[in-house]
Amino acid sequence: SQKIEQNSEALNIQEGKTATLTCNYTNYSPAYLQWYRQDPGRGPVFLLLIRENEKEKRKERLKVTFDTTLKQSLFHITASQPADSATYLCALDTTSGGYNKLIFGAGTRLAVHP
Amino acid sequence: DAGVIQSPRHEVTEMGQEVTLRCKPISGHNSLFWYRQTMMRGLELLIYFNNNVPIDDSGMPEDRFSAKMPNASFSTLKIQPSEPRDSAVYFCASTKGPLSSGNTIYFGEGSWLTVV
Repeated sequence: SQKIEQNSEALNIQEGKTATLTCNYTNYSPAYLQWYRQDPGRGPVFLLLIRENEKEKRKERLKVTFDTTLKQSLFHITASQPADSATYLCALDTTSGGYNKLIFGAGTRLAVHP
Repeated sequence: DAGVIQSPRHEVTEMGQEVTLRCKPISGHNSLFWYRQTMMRGLELLIYFNNNVPIDDSGMPEDRFSAKMPNASFSTLKIQPSEPRDSAVYFCASTKGPLSSGNTIYFGEGSWLTVV
C-alpha cells in the first residue's frame, strides 16, 4: 500500500543547532515533493518544492534533499531558532484518474529550545 | 491579497445536526481542495475541484458528506447528519495552476468542528 512516513515523535533541539526531519514514502513515484510548516491553530504554509531530478534545494536557512532511490527526503533547518518551532509536513504529488493531487505525511513537531 | 477564507472558524454542534462549512478560494485560482486533519489520521484529502467541477471525491468518508462548488469563488462542504467521529479541523485550499507543474497549495485557517 502507499504510505508516507514522518517521525511521529517530536524533535527537540537546542537553539543554533541544525534540525533534520525525515520523510519516507513507499509505492509512490512522485514528480516532486513539497514541505510545509504548520503552526498551532493555523493552516499549513508552503516552504519548499524539490523535483525528482533535483538532489538538493536551498532557501535561506532551509535545505531539502530528495533521494528517489531511497524514497526519502530530508529537511534541514540550520542555525535553528525558537521561532522555527512548529510542525513540518511533507507532501508528494500522485496522479489519480489522470489528475494530480497532493498527499501529506502526518508531520513532525519540532521544538527549538533557547 | 486575501488568502483562502473559511467560515465558520469554530463550530460546536450536536450529533445528528447538519453542518455546512464554507470556503472562498483565492481569486484567480482554478483548483480547490477540501482536507480534513485529525491527530490519528493527519491531513486527508476529501475532494478536489478543477474549474468548479469535482474531479476526485474518493476521499469523502461516506454519503453523509457532500461538497459543492457553484461558482469559482465559493464552495461548501456539508455533513448531514453529523457524528462525533466527524470532529476534526477541515481545511479548504486552492491553487492557481495544475499540480502537475508543482504549483503551491494555499490553505485557509481551517474550520474547527466539534460534534458532541
